[in-house]
Amino acid sequence: QVQLVESGGGVVQPGRSLRLSCAASGLIFSDYGMHWVRQAPGKGLEWVAVISSDGVRKYYADSVKGRFTISRDNSKNTLYLQMNSLRPEDTAVYYCAKKGPLGSSAYTWFDPWGQGTLVTVSS
Amino acid sequence: DVQMTQSPSSLSASVGDRVTITCRASQDISHYLAWYQQKPGKVPNLLIYAASTLHSGVPSRFSGSGSGTDFTLTISSLQPEDVSTYYCQKYDNDPWTFGQGTKVEI
Repeated sequence: QVQLVESGGGVVQPGRSLRLSCAASGLIFSDYGMHWVRQAPGKGLEWVAVISSDGVRKYYADSVKGRFTISRDNSKNTLYLQMNSLRPEDTAVYYCAKKGPLGSSAYTWFDPWGQGTLVTVSS
Repeated sequence: DVQMTQSPSSLSASVGDRVTITCRASQDISHYLAWYQQKPGKVPNLLIYAASTLHSGVPSRFSGSGSGTDFTLTISSLQPEDVSTYYCQKYDNDPWTFGQGTKVEI
């Protein structure tokens, strides 16, 4: 059973940095592309970034491009999101999520999702 | 970028009612659409992918249809445990855009 566990959230001042981690188990991590999705308090879901299984291809939402960096360490079965120049509007629960089945296109649905980690950007 | 618009934003129905949620894409996305259910305070869970394929373990009262720009999620007989917010999502290419959500209440 695939399990994704995020960590690294907390309260941070505007302009500062934070790194989120997502530890994966129950799968061959290096086989799957991975995503970050966020949800501001009381709001809907917003896709943030994706990384290919080999870590080469990365895409970002316009709202975080140039500030956030997605990466992975396949030897540690861990996905990361480095968040720099944080803004109050980045306040959200951040979820990691696995792409669809092995062998499918890079462009698939998300399943499963981690439980999320809350990032609060406030002075 | 393609925009995803859900309607209604919220609805209230009775147990046993048939409930329909619509999702419209601003451009043709073929069948590259997923639906997720997010119960209050919980993690989103996949319900349907490829517009109409029910994910493993999802009750058969849920169904999806549509292609191109217009899609629907139907709950054939609403149950108390279906109280949730439902999101559509396109995945034909990046960005992976979600609809704004539809909150379903009893």
